[in-house]
Amino acid sequence: DTAVSQTPKYLVTQMGNDKSIKCEQNLGHDTMYWYKQDSKKFLKIMFSYNNKELIINETVPNRFSPKSPDKAHLNLHINSLELGDSAVYFCASSQRGEGNYGYTFGSGTRLTVV
Amino acid sequence: TQLLEQSPQFLSIQEGENLTVYCNSSSVFSSLQWYRQEPGEGPVLLVTVVTGGEVKKLKRLTFQFGDARKDSSLHITAAQPGDTGLYLCAGESSSSNTGKLIFGQGTTLQVKP
Repeated sequence: DTAVSQTPKYLVTQMGNDKSIKCEQNLGHDTMYWYKQDSKKFLKIMFSYNNKELIINETVPNRFSPKSPDKAHLNLHINSLELGDSAVYFCASSQRGEGNYGYTFGSGTRLTVV
Repeated sequence: TQLLEQSPQFLSIQEGENLTVYCNSSSVFSSLQWYRQEPGEGPVLLVTVVTGGEVKKLKRLTFQFGDARKDSSLHITAAQPGDTGLYLCAGESSSSNTGKLIFGQGTTLQVKP
């Protein structure tokens, strides 16, 4: 069973288009995240939701809008795609609470804007 | 802005050699995690360390958290080709309760047979 699943795996689209990436986790975790990995493999957080509430919103263009319909799903919608948006986007989940719990990552969505 | 400096960025060694990867910061972290990422996949958690001075072992991998909780190291003994991958350290700020992880730039390890 896939713990954190993202779709699609690959996304090639033209500048100016609008696209969405979907993420689902079946781990029962209460927190989900979107990270962007650039061409140098650096991972940077974009958003985080805890029980459907937005708790992290880093400096990300307004063209990026996350949506969490329930705690098992976190989608990312991107408007007016630009060349610089090309990257690998990772969804992750974790269980908050006492102690520290590692992230479980999805396998990523490679977005290419042409 | 909290930063995690990872070194070296690239490492190419022969099978059987030992290596150490370092992760350093001027900030204190409540915990530090190590991940391994293979091409086309997401990072996979290897270990979490939470106590200053803590040492954890995972087969041939030894992880250490600095006494001041500002740094960590990953030591691999007798590296094997299967250890090849991108190793990432990530820290959770001691002043954050959001679970936000700050990642280092990663160490790309290649182990040649």
